[in-house]
Amino acid sequence: GAGVSQTPSNKVTEKGKYVELRCDPISGHTALYWYRQSLGQGPEFLIYFQGTGAADDSGLPNDRFFAVRPEGSVSTLKIQRTERGDSAVYLCASSSLRGGGVDEQFFGPGTRLTVL
Amino acid sequence: RKEVEQDPGPFNVPEGATVAFNCTYSNSASQSFFWYRQDCRKEPKLLMSVYSSGNEDGRFTAQLNRASQYISLLIRDSKLSDSATYLCVVNGFGNEKLTFGTGTRLTIIP
Repeated sequence: GAGVSQTPSNKVTEKGKYVELRCDPISGHTALYWYRQSLGQGPEFLIYFQGTGAADDSGLPNDRFFAVRPEGSVSTLKIQRTERGDSAVYLCASSSLRGGGVDEQFFGPGTRLTVL
Repeated sequence: RKEVEQDPGPFNVPEGATVAFNCTYSNSASQSFFWYRQDCRKEPKLLMSVYSSGNEDGRFTAQLNRASQYISLLIRDSKLSDSATYLCVVNGFGNEKLTFGTGTRLTIIP
């Protein structure tokens, strides 16, 4: 079946601009996660959705970052007034969260964001 | 101190050799442990979960030592296709977010 998809695959923008990154999770997965991976580092947690609500947004670095999941499936990560330090690969993951333990998180291919 | 620490490598290992990676974690409340594999410019993929009793999947063996807060991965009879970055990952109880190490880069040399 289809895995997690993310669009665009690459995004180049100028400092100060607004960007939106989209994630389509695996069908039926109730949990959705956003991570950010900088060069030479492991992914860092940003935010986690259970259904439509953000269950944990403790990883969002500041108020320029915001994410939504209005219908409990597709999610959009929004970054305002982008800075060069926002350049990274933004990874989305989803899991079925059947309960009783940690379910495998399946990652999308990521969006490579470059802020000039 | 980082929550999950790994030797970033690189490890350059001849084909057929055995290689071991180690990882330490700082949060004693961590409940679940994993090794993920990440190929160059690709997304991370789950390699295996790690249990205190140890678990084996073919040429791969993972071990957890809760007392020392230490996780290991052993790869036997390494193949060229094992070349990748191996990420040590932990997860806290009731906490769905994954915490990743920086990854250990492995290159298998023909």
